[in-house]
Amino acid sequence: GENVEQHPSTLSVQEGDSAVIKCTYSDSASNYFPWYKQELGKRPQLIIDIRSNVGEKKDQRIAVTLNKTAKHFSLHITETQPEDSAVYFCAAKGQGGKLIFGQGTELSVKP
Amino acid sequence: DVKVTQSSRYLVKRTGEKVFLECVQDMDHENMFWYRQDPGLGLRLIYFSYDVKMKEKGDIPEGYSVSREKKERFSLILESASTNQTSMYLCASSLSRGPNTEAFFGQGTRLTVV
Repeated sequence: GENVEQHPSTLSVQEGDSAVIKCTYSDSASNYFPWYKQELGKRPQLIIDIRSNVGEKKDQRIAVTLNKTAKHFSLHITETQPEDSAVYFCAAKGQGGKLIFGQGTELSVKP
Repeated sequence: DVKVTQSSRYLVKRTGEKVFLECVQDMDHENMFWYRQDPGLGLRLIYFSYDVKMKEKGDIPEGYSVSREKKERFSLILESASTNQTSMYLCASSLSRGPNTEAFFGQGTRLTVV
């Protein structure tokens, strides 16, 4: 079945450094790749997404890149701040509408 | 604002009980999903529905069933609760099956089976 692998499971960076989280997917028909942020005790919320016909998208300090050939996509956070500390999930949506998530990355930004 | 509401924040049930988790969305979304969230395992899809009375199995449907009699409501049923079903359950909805349709999550139900 469809699968999304996410790495690393934990990531610790100093404030101001960059953070990169990587995901791979198995379903070549996947056409939509969202990233969610989940703060402690709260529900996941969308922070950025990308469609399969786009290679890169940026929104202020966050960016997502997609390599369809390799079935690989990544989240990049620059100039990290303590409020970026959270669990981040990548996901892939297949043509049938099924939304499959990765295992999550716990990001810790140290002041 | 889209609102996805789950009926309970915390539930404690006994082994063998039949458990109903309810989810309601107020934005006329076609798609609704049930996930369970466990540390290190991420969000695993149990079932999803793309229309009233339509359902499809996710990755871990065993021990669960669902019901979608009305578009706004999607229920998850644990036929006979077991301790390994202790988890956080998250409901989500999205406008359609197409790309670029954000999924909105409920606040989650923390279920403990004793």
